[in-house]
Amino acid sequence: GQQLNQSPQSMFIQEGEDVSMNCTSSSIFNTWLWYKQDPGEGPVLLIALYKAGELTSNGRLTAQFGITRKDSFLNISASIPSDVGIYFCAGQFDFGNEKLTFGTGTRLTIIP
Amino acid sequence: EAGVTQFPSHSVIEKGQTVTLRCDPISGHDNLYWYRRVMGKEIKFLLHFVKESKQDESGMPNNRFLAERTGGTYSTLKVQPAELEDSGVYFCASSPLAGTTYEQYFGPGTRLTVT
Repeated sequence: GQQLNQSPQSMFIQEGEDVSMNCTSSSIFNTWLWYKQDPGEGPVLLIALYKAGELTSNGRLTAQFGITRKDSFLNISASIPSDVGIYFCAGQFDFGNEKLTFGTGTRLTIIP
Repeated sequence: EAGVTQFPSHSVIEKGQTVTLRCDPISGHDNLYWYRRVMGKEIKFLLHFVKESKQDESGMPNNRFLAERTGGTYSTLKVQPAELEDSGVYFCASSPLAGTTYEQYFGPGTRLTVT
């Protein structure tokens, strides 16, 4: 099956630092999505990307859909305590094949 | 607008027992998905309903898993008999049929522990 390699697996940063994480795939996706999961909650959609090369921002978050359609990255600027959690990338093919293929997640911890 | 809800939030059962998980999607969402995250691994797709019909059940592990969505509203996922490897968090997600179909909204999950 499809595999998404997400890195890094975990990050330990100080408040105020910028964060960068990425996903690479062995297959082409037509949509990339980034989710965040807090403990005891389900994944919450952060950003959705629909076109190769697209760069989209949502507040302090910026994500890009790679030109090859096989990768995506997520940046978080000026991290704050509520950014703590697990971030997942997910790829999707198209209408009629809408299941999401998830990356393994990046656990973000902010060191006080 | 109420989000996706799932019941129960936690379930602890013994190997060989039966468990039924329930998902109520966002009102009006015809697409309903089940996913599972086994400890430490990625979230994996199980199946996809469009209204009451199974669109894609390629992720269902085996025939011990049965999903239904009678009437096209809420869905149930039954595991019978449960095995140790079924432990994990089961997520449900929904999305509307028309418009931006790619954005799936997730419920809080049901944590299943099989002992």
